[in-house]
Amino acid sequence: AQSVTQLGSHVSVSEGALVLLRCNYSSSVPPYLFWYVQYPNQGLQLLLKYTSAATLVKGINGFEAEFKKSETSFHLTKPSAHMSDAAEYFCAVSDPNTGGFKTIFGAGTRLFVKA
Amino acid sequence: GAGVSQSPSNKVTEKGKDVELRCDPISGHTALYWYRQSLGQGLEFLIYFQGNSAPDKSGLPSDRFSAERTGGSVSTLTIQRTQQEDSAVYLCASSFTSGGAGEQFFGPGTRLTVL
Repeated sequence: AQSVTQLGSHVSVSEGALVLLRCNYSSSVPPYLFWYVQYPNQGLQLLLKYTSAATLVKGINGFEAEFKKSETSFHLTKPSAHMSDAAEYFCAVSDPNTGGFKTIFGAGTRLFVKA
Repeated sequence: GAGVSQSPSNKVTEKGKDVELRCDPISGHTALYWYRQSLGQGLEFLIYFQGNSAPDKSGLPSDRFSAERTGGSVSTLTIQRTQQEDSAVYLCASSFTSGGAGEQFFGPGTRLTVL
């Protein structure tokens, strides 16, 4: 069975600092991987996804993530945090061999950005 | 261009009552998903539909939960004999794809409170 572990339920960074949100997955096959963001009082929206093309994936709002098979990781980064990045971030995985529809989400990491 | 809509936005019910939650996906989206988000936890996959068919119902927590989709559009999640542990936000999402790697567009959710 597939699973996702997000390390750190809360991460706090200063404005302008590097953002690093960690995600490790468990899958017996090369998975699809996703990062979704939930801004306060808004619905979830897709930040970026990996579907077996380039291992470094760029998303919206300056975020990117790198698929590292050897480490079973898909960490999310942004070089310089902005106050507007404060939100909850979810990593997710699905299995292409079964169509990729059943999507397993991690518990989420809440990002705080200090002025 | 309406997004995914869900109704009601809030539902308070008494233990033992049945509830129906409705999801209107984005027009033309073939895939539809239901998730449950409990406080402090990530999204728990419940079920997905491809058209009107639900190939994988393994995520439904118990036989009190059921879902259907008609006309390849509207979906209803029904919870019978509600229990307090059913209290959560129920999220619906839809995607326009023949494969599961497509971006899921989420609705605002229905907050269910079981007294």
